[in-house]
Amino acid sequence: GQQVMQIPQYQHVQEGEDFTTYCNSSTTLSNIQWYKQRPGGHPVFLIQLVKSGEVKKQKRLTFQFGEAKKNSSLHITATQTTDVGTYFCAASHNDYKLSFGAGTTVTVRA
Amino acid sequence: DGGITQSPKYLFRKEGQNVTLSCEQNLNHDAMYWYRQDPGQGLRLIYYSQIVNDFQKGDIAEGYSVSREKKESFPLTVTSAQKNPTAFYLCASGISWGGLRRTIYFGEGSWLTVV
Repeated sequence: GQQVMQIPQYQHVQEGEDFTTYCNSSTTLSNIQWYKQRPGGHPVFLIQLVKSGEVKKQKRLTFQFGEAKKNSSLHITATQTTDVGTYFCAASHNDYKLSFGAGTTVTVRA
Repeated sequence: DGGITQSPKYLFRKEGQNVTLSCEQNLNHDAMYWYRQDPGQGLRLIYYSQIVNDFQKGDIAEGYSVSREKKESFPLTVTSAQKNPTAFYLCASGISWGGLRRTIYFGEGSWLTVV
């Protein structure tokens, strides 16, 4: 079953506002990845985090890996309509399987 | 993503029939995966393969079968034993960053509807 839990499941955001989605695991992760799936599309790789406490930025997106490597967050600033979609985190523990969270589906009101 | 081709994109089948979904990649990736996505749901791993002629069951392998005779190909057969086969099927291939680190890239998916 799923080894990573994502919250919230749905995020409805006013355009221009910020929001954060979280990914949590009960066990230590070797790495964590984030993907975005636009409505009707397929998941697209965004970023990978490997080191404890790592922070990476992609324009308005900030990704963080927790110090204990058990959680991660994606923070989006100044949300735009192009941010609509479902954001998944994915992680591998001690094997080669890559398990995905249930995703956070983001909708934006103009 | 470019380099991973799934076919067909849409497929309708009658209940009780087996159906095979094709997945081909030209990225020279060793690892390949099959995921199932139900409407409004996350991705669940069906099967994965790290090398040719070897594959492992994922979390929901019952009612599915795969083969990996060539590095670039990883077809998925949805058998009549799969109780709820209607879903969106995603194939992916993966690049290794060393150790257990994998980044995977998805094909555009295949919509299977069983009537």
